[in-house]
Amino acid sequence: GAVVSQHPSWVICKSGTSVKIECRSLDFQATTMFWYRQFPKQSLMLMATSNEGSKATYEQGVEKDKFLINHASLTLSTLTVTSAHPEDSSFYICSARGVAGYTFGSGTRLTVV
Amino acid sequence: AQSVTQLGSHVSVSEGALVLLRCNYSSSVPPYLFWYVQYPNQGLQLLLKYTSAATLVKGINGFEAEFKKSETSFHLTKPSAHMSDAAEYFCAVTVTGAAGNKLTFGGGTRVLVKP
Repeated sequence: GAVVSQHPSWVICKSGTSVKIECRSLDFQATTMFWYRQFPKQSLMLMATSNEGSKATYEQGVEKDKFLINHASLTLSTLTVTSAHPEDSSFYICSARGVAGYTFGSGTRLTVV
Repeated sequence: AQSVTQLGSHVSVSEGALVLLRCNYSSSVPPYLFWYVQYPNQGLQLLLKYTSAATLVKGINGFEAEFKKSETSFHLTKPSAHMSDAAEYFCAVTVTGAAGNKLTFGGGTRVLVKP
């Protein structure tokens, strides 16, 4: 079945540094990838939608300069949290949309100290 | 724009009892509907999906859901709860051709299974 690999699973970084999260579709080509943020005991909040080779579309209220998304190929999208601060600490989940539908990564727990 | 409402943020059931999770949607065009399960610190796993074929959809782990257009509902059921069903469940909706086909999620329902 369709598999999406998301790395790292968890990361701790110092305030002011940048963190990159990778999302790869392992056995299918993803026409579109989505990035979500999830706060504790809450639902998923869509941050942005990215299509291969084009700029990401950010949801209202999401800072595109802070959350940089690159969709370099049909199997790889990255989310870079720039100049991270404690309020950026959260659970980030990617999703890839292919022929079979939507497949989610296992998520990344980001803690900024 | 589409939206999803999940009634009940927490549901507690006894092992072996019926599990019923409620989901109502709003969409101006025929929707695609999904149920996902999430275990702690993990991503989402698809339980089942409705894509305009049969209105009664069977999924994995004994779950099923029925699409009722007249009630704009897509409730999830399982006849007999198992301890391993304790998790967070999300209902989601999308429509074809709109805004990159993004999923809109409900608020989630946390299921607790009592022995």
